[in-house]
Amino acid sequence: GAGVSQSPSNKVTEKGKDVELRCDPISGHTALYWYRQSLGQGLEFLIYFQGNSAPDKSGLPSDRFSAERTGGSVSTLTIQRTQQEDSAVYLCASSPGLAGGAGELFFGEGSRLTVL
Amino acid sequence: GENVEQHPSTLSVQEGDSAVIKCTYSDSASNYFPWYKQELGKRPQLIIDIRSNVGEKKDQRIAVTLNKTAKHFSLHITETQPEDSAVYFCAARGNTGNQFYFGTGTSLTVIP
Repeated sequence: GAGVSQSPSNKVTEKGKDVELRCDPISGHTALYWYRQSLGQGLEFLIYFQGNSAPDKSGLPSDRFSAERTGGSVSTLTIQRTQQEDSAVYLCASSPGLAGGAGELFFGEGSRLTVL
Repeated sequence: GENVEQHPSTLSVQEGDSAVIKCTYSDSASNYFPWYKQELGKRPQLIIDIRSNVGEKKDQRIAVTLNKTAKHFSLHITETQPEDSAVYFCAARGNTGNQFYFGTGTSLTVIP
């Protein structure tokens, strides 16, 4: 597809379970970002991948959160032992990633996570 | 890291009036400031952006101004229409990476 694709669009899970959220960025985009948006809140940065460089994990809220990006394309955000406070919409974005160049972020539709 | 603050959190205006949303940032090295619009249930989309070497940019009914000395930038929407109703986010990108920091958003309601 032409845009950023995320799956699942909705996920309901029980407290303590692990979840995986997937992001398929726009083809050719070297930069990929994960953000978290709680109800009525702003966009909280989680993690950022740029090409083959080590990811910027400075926004991950705890060691229960991790993410990987395979082959410089698809990314998976994993939340282990989910807690109710993890409930939010998880947004993925990609950009061409040219350092100092055009910076538009293209967002996916998000994955809405509900932890019961 | 960068800290972006955004005000107001909610804003209601009559159709045809102007709306102004303001943001401040903390890192003087930030050099790119985009604004995103998020309609209910939709993804955020870029509506306008400005770079640190420019003081103002306009695109039809929307404009953004940047004051580097004071480290603040603002979004101006003139002749507001009901379809302008959405949540607007400002953001700042640092000079040493491709990291974006977002404000907490402004929920704009345009009353017909």
